[in-house]
Order: sequence, then C-alpha cells, then structure tokens
Amino acid sequence: DAKTTQPNSMESNEEEPVHLPCNHSTISGTDYIHWYRQLPSQGPEYVIHGLTSNVNNRMASLAIAEDRKSSTLILHRATLRDAAVYYCILSRIQGAQKLVFGQGTRLTINP
Amino acid sequence: DAGITQSPRHKVTETGTPVTLRCHQTENHRYMYWYRQDPGHGLRLIHYSYGVKDTDKGEVSDGYSVSRSKTEDFLLTLESATSSQTSVYFCAISEWTDLRGYTFGSGTRLTVV
Repeated sequence: DAKTTQPNSMESNEEEPVHLPCNHSTISGTDYIHWYRQLPSQGPEYVIHGLTSNVNNRMASLAIAEDRKSSTLILHRATLRDAAVYYCILSRIQGAQKLVFGQGTRLTINP
Repeated sequence: DAGITQSPRHKVTETGTPVTLRCHQTENHRYMYWYRQDPGHGLRLIHYSYGVKDTDKGEVSDGYSVSRSKTEDFLLTLESATSSQTSVYFCAISEWTDLRGYTFGSGTRLTVV
C-alpha cells in the first residue's frame, strides 16, 4: 500500500487559513486521496477526497499537485472546532478499502 | 447522524472473560470494519467484512473473532479478554458507490482489568 507522510503537528490562529501538507510520492494512478479528521473523543470523519483535480466542499479545499505526489488540505478560515487530528490516506475505490491510518497531523487552533 | 451505532459505548470487564461489541448500520452498506485505536499506534484494522458471512482478517486480528449474520450487524468478540486489549474500538462502514469512503461509529471504550 502506498504510504503518506504528514507533519506530526501544526498550529494556527483562529480565523486564519490553514494549509495541511501531505506527501505521497508512491501514489498509483488508481489511488484516490482522502482526508479524514478526528475530533477529540470521536471517530474519524470524512473531510474531502480527490483524484487529480482540486476539489472544494463546505468543509475544506483539496489542492493536488500536478504530479499527484503531494496534496494540501486547506481550511479557509479555521475555527476552534477545527482542532483535530487530520489524516491523509490513499484509497482505491474498489472492494473493501481497508484504509491504513498513519499518525496524522495534530492541528492546534489558538484563539 | 445515526447511520452507524456502536454498543456499548463503555465497558469494563475482567481478564479472561469473553466480550462482544456490536456495530449496527442502517445504510445497507456492504463493507464493515473493526479498528482499534491506541496511543502511539493510531487506528489499526482488526477484521473486516465484505458481505453477510464473508469476513477476513486485518493486521491485528489475534485474539479477536467477528461475525456478520445480517447486513446491518457486525459483531466483534474478544474470546478471552486481556489487558492488552484495553483500547477504543471503532466500527466503520463503506460502499463502493459512496466515494467518500468510510463512515465511522462513535467508538466503544473497553477497559480490561
């Protein structure tokens, strides 16, 4: 399974944009890039996913490098509720996905 | 959203006793998964199911068994609980038509004393 590399932790201020990087240099052509986040004492939740093009939804934006070897999750205006561990995961959308979770990035938001 | 529920939410049990955790879904998703989460290890896959009566092992399956007799229910059994199985257990569901991937339950915190 292709692996991802993320910084262990990041810190930002409330109401500022946050850019969370992820490297996935061994990504294959059929791998989707998924982002999940885990709020304290909760299960992980889906944030966004993409294949090749940049994606936007109500929670975040996903910017994917042209060579697909890296991606960036963008929170446009962080709030205290965005403090969580963010996981970048590669997934093949076929059959049982058996997602492999790394350590993720622990995001701290300062008021 | 109550598409997936886990029970119980908390449990304390004694070493050597059997324990069963339940995952129930209302989404009619084909795939169901059990993960455990421990400090320093992140989420690790225990077992998963790709249909009724169809299950397979994940990376940390020793000491655990699963059963899926109905689409909506996936049971995780600790045959003889040990202190090393103290953990938070998460169930997840997925369906290939849902490109969002996994939907997780809220977790079961199990303490083995």
